[in-house]
Amino acid sequence: QSALTQPASVSGSPGQSITISCTGTSSDVGSYNLVSWYQQHPGKAPKLMIYEGSKRPSGVSNRFSGSKSGNTASLTISGLQAEDEADYYCCTYAGSSSFVFGTGTKVTVL
Amino acid sequence: QVQLVQSGAEVKKPGASVNVSCKASGYTFTNYFLHWVRQAPGQGLEWMGIINPGGGSTNYAQKFQGRITMTRDTSTSTVYMEVSSLTSEDTAVYYCARDGVAAPAKRYFDYWGQGTLVTVSS
Repeated sequence: QSALTQPASVSGSPGQSITISCTGTSSDVGSYNLVSWYQQHPGKAPKLMIYEGSKRPSGVSNRFSGSKSGNTASLTISGLQAEDEADYYCCTYAGSSSFVFGTGTKVTVL
Repeated sequence: QVQLVQSGAEVKKPGASVNVSCKASGYTFTNYFLHWVRQAPGQGLEWMGIINPGGGSTNYAQKFQGRITMTRDTSTSTVYMEVSSLTSEDTAVYYCARDGVAAPAKRYFDYWGQGTLVTVSS
């Protein structure tokens, strides 16, 4: 199972919106509406931001939203804030009780 | 509140094995699958496998089959992962993470342990 493809880095100014893509195949992202997104600050454990494509856990800001089209999922962060600077990973269920992560995206707030 | 507390850092020699533990609390242990995810220094997250604490069944990523073993102890609400035949490529932080949906569903990871650094060095 190959890792999902994410851009290595995305940047934006405070208040702007950015979108991170996550491209898989018809066997993983395209087959299941089970993409999740994780935020990871340096030295910390990942934190769930979006699950099942577009759902937000309790406590996660509504500035974070998720979507999917075909084999590509996306995470949008609107109203970018300094605290959003972190690494972001997508992940999907890939069938047969297996999961695959994306390559990760470093978000920089300019 | 849900908590996953992992064992402490380990230093191992190449060829050795390591056993990492993850003690769960704050929920019914047998109702949620637990996953193991690792992250090599400066690298991304890598899913390693899943265990059903209820029945003990497991599924491992193809890359790790034959080299990892996941077990659980329901009396202490603890899952274990043993990684054998260690090489320097196994130097990483190992995380346990709870699945966000009650078994038998497998969906995403809602709670994570603090991570266990395993260093493989001669």
